[in-house]
Amino acid sequence: SQQGEEDPQALSIQEGENATMNCSYKTSINNLQWYRQNSGRGLVHLILIRSNEREKHSGRLRVTLDTSKKSSSLLITASRAADTASYFCATDAGGGADGLTFGKGTHLIIQP
Amino acid sequence: EAGVAQSPRYKIIEKRQSVAFWCNPISGHATLYWYQQILGQGPKLLIQFQNNGVVDDSQLPKDRFSAERLKGVDSTLKIQPAKLEDSAVYLCASSLEGLRTQYFGPGTRLLVL
Repeated sequence: SQQGEEDPQALSIQEGENATMNCSYKTSINNLQWYRQNSGRGLVHLILIRSNEREKHSGRLRVTLDTSKKSSSLLITASRAADTASYFCATDAGGGADGLTFGKGTHLIIQP
Repeated sequence: EAGVAQSPRYKIIEKRQSVAFWCNPISGHATLYWYQQILGQGPKLLIQFQNNGVVDDSQLPKDRFSAERLKGVDSTLKIQPAKLEDSAVYLCASSLEGLRTQYFGPGTRLLVL
């Protein structure tokens, strides 16, 4: 079953604009991660935020986590054509069984 | 550093046939995962290994799917017999023990006719 639901399902913006994607999840989590998937490089880890963190930055990426609302957002600033991809949030419940539960993803298209 | 290797990259079979996928994780990664990704959806965990032991196989359809990780390195995922709904990309991932970041292979795209 899917844990997370990304919103929107698809997003098209102009190069240089900022892109924001949201993720909601259902059960308690240990960590939340964001992954990117495109045909060229497969599924790639972007950033991990722990359940006791509220915000994290990595380069042009900014992730927030609100455990009270069971939601997270991913902001990509100054978008580039190479950012065109599907973006997934994924959660794990902690403990030894840390397989990820993914959402359905947001398909981001950056128009040149 | 070499990434996660998977083979074959593509496979077309007819329903009721059997198929096997192979995965070689990143050297030193004790944890190995198999995911199924149906078109338009996110990956779904099938099974997690820690070394050569199974940690979680709660979502593995055990009547037709099996997986093994002999010697705690390479892993094989098998489907027997295949159904039309098994058409998907099968992704293998690995991680260092105790760390949550997973590294994914390129996947095997399976089409069942």
